[in-house]
Amino acid sequence: EVQLVESGGGLVQPGRSMKLSCAASGFTFSNYGMAWVRQAPTKGLEWVATISYDGSSTYYRDSVKGRFTISRDNAKSTLYLQMNSLRSEDTATYYCTREGRRGFDYWGQGVMVTVSS
Amino acid sequence: DIQMTQSPSVLSASVGDRVTLNCKASQNINKYLNWYQQKLGEAPKLLIYNTNNLQTGIPSRFSGSGSGTDYTLTISSLQPEDVATYFCFQHNSWPLTFGSGTKLEIK
Repeated sequence: EVQLVESGGGLVQPGRSMKLSCAASGFTFSNYGMAWVRQAPTKGLEWVATISYDGSSTYYRDSVKGRFTISRDNAKSTLYLQMNSLRSEDTATYYCTREGRRGFDYWGQGVMVTVSS
Repeated sequence: DIQMTQSPSVLSASVGDRVTLNCKASQNINKYLNWYQQKLGEAPKLLIYNTNNLQTGIPSRFSGSGSGTDYTLTISSLQPEDVATYFCFQHNSWPLTFGSGTKLEIK
């Protein structure tokens, strides 16, 4: 069974940093691209970043470019999102997703990030 | 960026009804269109991928169709457990984008 378990969220002040992790199991992690998708409270879904199966390619939405870094450790089957210079508009539930030919096919339960002073 | 417009934003129907949800892309997305179901307090779940392919484990009352810029999700016989918000999503080109959702309610 595919499982994706996010961790690392919480309350952070504007301008500070936070790192999210996503532990994957139930599939061969190194065979799949992975992504982060977020959802602000009572809002819709917003793609944040994608990383290729081997980490050689990364893609970001414009609003996080230069502030967020997606990375992975295939030996640990873990995905990361380093978030720097956080803003109030980054407040959201962040979902880890598996990305393949079917698009985002499996999702974690999500982790809440609140940016507030 | 490709804009995804969903209609209606809220849909109220009776159990057993056939319901249709619409999604329009601002440009051709070559059938790289998915549908997700999100129940209150839960993560989204993939229902349909690449326009008309049913994800494993999803009931056959769900189906998808479309091409070019216009896509449809159909529920052939609405069930109480289908109450949720439904999002369309294009993965044809960067940045990947979602529609704003259709909230499906039971009358």
